[in-house]
Amino acid sequence: KAGVTQTPRYLIKTRGQQVTLSCSPISGHRSVSWYQQTPGQGLQFLFEYFSETQRNKGNFPGRFSGRQFSNSRSEMNVSTLELGDSALYLCASSSTNGANTEAFFGQGTRLTVV
Amino acid sequence: QQQVKQSPQSLIVQKGGISIINCAYENTAFDYFPWYQQFPGKGPALLIAIRPDVSEKKEGRFTISFNKSAKQFSLHIMDSQPGDSATYFCAASRAHSNYQLIWGAGTKLIIKP
Repeated sequence: KAGVTQTPRYLIKTRGQQVTLSCSPISGHRSVSWYQQTPGQGLQFLFEYFSETQRNKGNFPGRFSGRQFSNSRSEMNVSTLELGDSALYLCASSSTNGANTEAFFGQGTRLTVV
Repeated sequence: QQQVKQSPQSLIVQKGGISIINCAYENTAFDYFPWYQQFPGKGPALLIAIRPDVSEKKEGRFTISFNKSAKQFSLHIMDSQPGDSATYFCAASRAHSNYQLIWGAGTKLIIKP
């Protein structure tokens, strides 16, 4: 069974640009969550999607948005990039929409904003 | 109330020794406590998880101890090996709340051969 696939693995963008990250969950998984990982703030929850609906959202500005498609693949978009958005963005998929189920993480997309 | 506090920030243990990492939480609504292991360049991988109806869970060399009254839980790695060198994260979440893990800050573990 293929794992969670995130593309691209690395991105370099300029301040003010926008970026779209992609996540393909494990086949059959309908829940996709996104996290931002930085050395200073650790892992922080961005949002969670289940069956194309955003079910939960973390404390991030509106520049961060996402969506989920009917095949459960998800995209995350960050507009008007800031230097502080440089981070590893992780996607996790799980088989249900509830907690207490294992979240499988992808290898992440390393975003560098210059 | 949403925080999970993890300590120590870094830990060096001799091969064969016991590695102990501690976490404390505040929100009594949390009822799922996983530990994740992360190697450089990789995403976190679930190591072991516990629910508050048990005080201890063991899987191989990894054990979670859970103290509900103190709102603390810890990871013990017995017979630590150089391959265990990684960053370990504790986390917590509420059941039936739509998936949202609250993470500890992480512990960088180094096992010296």
